[in-house]
Amino acid sequence: KAGVTQTPRYLIKTRGQQVTLSCSPISGHRSVSWYQQTPGQGLQFLFEYFSETQRNKGNFPGRFSGRQFSNSRSEMNVSTLELGDSALYLCASRGGSFEDEQFFGPGTRLTVL
Amino acid sequence: DQQVKQNSPSLSVQEGRISILNCDYTNSMFDYFLWYKKYPAEGPTFLISISSIKDKNEDGRFTVFLNKSAKHLSLHIVPSQPGDSAVYFCAATRDDKIIFGKGTRLHILP
Repeated sequence: KAGVTQTPRYLIKTRGQQVTLSCSPISGHRSVSWYQQTPGQGLQFLFEYFSETQRNKGNFPGRFSGRQFSNSRSEMNVSTLELGDSALYLCASRGGSFEDEQFFGPGTRLTVL
Repeated sequence: DQQVKQNSPSLSVQEGRISILNCDYTNSMFDYFLWYKKYPAEGPTFLISISSIKDKNEDGRFTVFLNKSAKHLSLHIVPSQPGDSAVYFCAATRDDKIIFGKGTRLHILP
């Protein structure tokens, strides 16, 4: 079974731009969660999508948004990029129940200049 | 307000010895506690979890201990191996949300 895939793996943007990251979950998984990892803050939860609906949301500003498609693939968008948005963005998928194990993708390294 | 804290950013342990990674939390309503391991350029992988109603869970070389009165959990790795060198994240779940600590980098020394 193929794992969680994320594209692109690396991205460089400048302040004020917007960016879209993509995540393809493990086949059959309906839940996709997004996380931001920075050295200073560790792993922080952004949001979770299940069956095309946002099911949970962390404490991030509205510049961070996401969506999920009918095939469970998910995209995350960050608008008006700031230097502090430079981070590793991780996507994780699981079956659907919160008790299911999460499987993480390799992440997208975003650098904002 | 950090609800899950890993106060040691790094830890060095001799190969073959015991590695003990610590985690403190502030919210007594957490349901489950989990440990993830992360290698550079890879996403975290699940290691072991413990329900809030238990005080110990063991899986091979990995044991997690939960002390609810102290709001403290620890991950023991015995014996430590070179492949255990990684960043370890402690996490806690509540209301379908998962909250991670900042991680502890474990170095296994030859």
